[in-house]
Amino acid sequence: NAGVTQTPKFQVLKTGQSMTLQCAQDMNHNSMYWYRQDPGMGLRLIYYSASEGTTDKGEVPNGYNVSRLNKREFSLRLESAAPSQTSVYFCASSGTSYNEQFFGPGTRLTVL
Amino acid sequence: TQLLEQSPQFLSIQEGENLTVYCNSSSVFSSLQWYRQEPGEGPVLLVTVVTGGEVKKLKRLTFQFGDARKDSSLHITAAQPGDTGLYLCAGARTNTDKLIFGTGTRLQVFP
Repeated sequence: NAGVTQTPKFQVLKTGQSMTLQCAQDMNHNSMYWYRQDPGMGLRLIYYSASEGTTDKGEVPNGYNVSRLNKREFSLRLESAAPSQTSVYFCASSGTSYNEQFFGPGTRLTVL
Repeated sequence: TQLLEQSPQFLSIQEGENLTVYCNSSSVFSSLQWYRQEPGEGPVLLVTVVTGGEVKKLKRLTFQFGDARKDSSLHITAAQPGDTGLYLCAGARTNTDKLIFGTGTRLQVFP
């Protein structure tokens, strides 16, 4: 089992460009999450999906959209990237009683 | 508003020393988790505590959930360089709620 996979691993964008971050899990989990991690800020929830076909906003959703394509895949889209979106993005999935999360390796995004 | 405060933010110690990391909140949590994150990787779950006063041991790591379920601590005995990393606590106010992550404690253990 690969667990949670994310692509790409690194990306550099110019302000205004768009891109989609891909995430897939092979653990048959219902819930999936997108977080961003910035120095001194811990992990902040962008969007989550409690089950296939549903998505909800987290703490910092502005400037992002998501798609829960099927049970395995949950993508994050930046329509018009801004320097404030420079961060490390983590996808996670959960299928346990206490919402324990399994994380992917992250995508390091720089917006110039 | 950061609901989970971790202290200290940074810790730099020699191999063999003991240390304690704290995770505090004014809110009550149904469960609390601890994760470790190594450079360039995603966080990895270490333990989940769910009962007030609960103590769990994982080799040299001891985790405690406060009696009132508002705080938790992680104690490492005889730290080793392999313990180096970012330690994150995360709480859920209900079993189905989203997790709230603390700001993290960055630990460096020197040989």
